[in-house]
Amino acid sequence: GIQVEQSPPDLILQEGANSTLRCNFSDSVNNLQWFHQNPWGQLINLFYIPSGTKQNGRLSATTVATERYSLLYISSSQTTDSGVYFCAVIMNRDDKIIFGKGTRLHILP
Amino acid sequence: DTEVTQTPKHLVMGMTNKKSLKCEQHMGHRAMYWYKQKAKKPPELMFVYSYEKLSINESVPSRFSPECPNSSLLNLHLHALQPEDSALYLCASSPRQVTNEKLFFGSGTQLSVL
Repeated sequence: GIQVEQSPPDLILQEGANSTLRCNFSDSVNNLQWFHQNPWGQLINLFYIPSGTKQNGRLSATTVATERYSLLYISSSQTTDSGVYFCAVIMNRDDKIIFGKGTRLHILP
Repeated sequence: DTEVTQTPKHLVMGMTNKKSLKCEQHMGHRAMYWYKQKAKKPPELMFVYSYEKLSINESVPSRFSPECPNSSLLNLHLHALQPEDSALYLCASSPRQVTNEKLFFGSGTQLSVL
């Protein structure tokens, strides 16, 4: 099946720092989403981005479908950005969302 | 209303108990999902309902029984669970069960089986 790999697995940053999270996938996809799971378990959909670039405030994402990767940028980190960031994809020939293992981000005050 | 609401938030049950988890959305979405998430792991798909009909069952044990009474409501009935079933159970919805739709999650039910 499709492999979804996220890096780095863990990241600790000082408040105000910038970060880049990466998601690599092993097959063609027609759906890619980024989620943030806060410490209370809530999964928030950040971006639906099967290709191209989107921005939402301090967050932006870029997916290069032909090269099978997506990047999530977080600028001027805040403590509320802490949590786990998941990349999730659906293959072109399937209808099931596959989650990566996530990047655990901890922002220090 | 852009929320998926799950109740209860926490549930402790014994192995002989019967309980139910509830999920509700009023976004007009016609696809609803149950996921199971163990600590420090990604969510794993359990069931998908599309237009109130069961579309996907990921070989989930029969002690988990889903039900979709109407387009806004999704239940997960639990019976004779095992301690290893303790996990965060997440409900999600999307406009339709097609590959180019955005998924919205509830805040989950943290289940402990004693």
